[in-house]
Amino acid sequence: EPEVTQTPSHQVTQMGQEVILRCVPISNHLYFYWYRQILGQKVEFLVSFYNNEISEKSEIFDDQFSVERPDGSNFTLKIRSTKLEDSAMYFCASSPTRGATRGGYGYTFGSGTRLTVV
Amino acid sequence: DQQVKQNSPSLSVQEGRISILNCDYTNSMFDYFLWYKKYPAEGPTFLISISSIKDKNEDGRFTVFLNKSAKHLSLHIVPSQPGDSAVYFCAASSFGNEKLTFGTGTRLTIIP
Repeated sequence: EPEVTQTPSHQVTQMGQEVILRCVPISNHLYFYWYRQILGQKVEFLVSFYNNEISEKSEIFDDQFSVERPDGSNFTLKIRSTKLEDSAMYFCASSPTRGATRGGYGYTFGSGTRLTVV
Repeated sequence: DQQVKQNSPSLSVQEGRISILNCDYTNSMFDYFLWYKKYPAEGPTFLISISSIKDKNEDGRFTVFLNKSAKHLSLHIVPSQPGDSAVYFCAASSFGNEKLTFGTGTRLTIIP
């Protein structure tokens, strides 16, 4: 079964450093998402991305965050200057069509990258 | 701002019995609801969904019930199996939005 692949599985970074989280969505998918889950809290939407631009973003997704699809396969989330409160599990997801949240299939999540900011 | 609430952080059920996981929402704009299952060290996996025009959707051992007037939905798993032990997230979406709003999850443990 096709998978969304995220690397690394765990990243430790110093406060103030830039970090890039990488995702390889399923190959024929066109819509891409980042979510995060702070330990013990709910999974929160960060951003959706389609046709090389952000289609929707949350209040969490401020100027410190950016997303990019640098080539035909990768989808990255960059945090410019990490803060302690950015420590969380970051999930990438993809779907083949718009409206995956409203169809009978949802979208496909990766296994996540655990980011620890020290 | 808990628009989607799962008030039970954990639930233990005997193997073979019915598991009932509950979810409440406050946002009237939500009109599509999904359940995701998550094992440790894995991402959430889509399980089952329901549109607000329905009050029930069934898929094998899994049934989701929606009570719009009470803004409440529930996931029934019957019979429960050991492999069902996981964290279950309720999520909701509204028309025109691509994002999902998740609850905090319920950890289900099936006791053999």
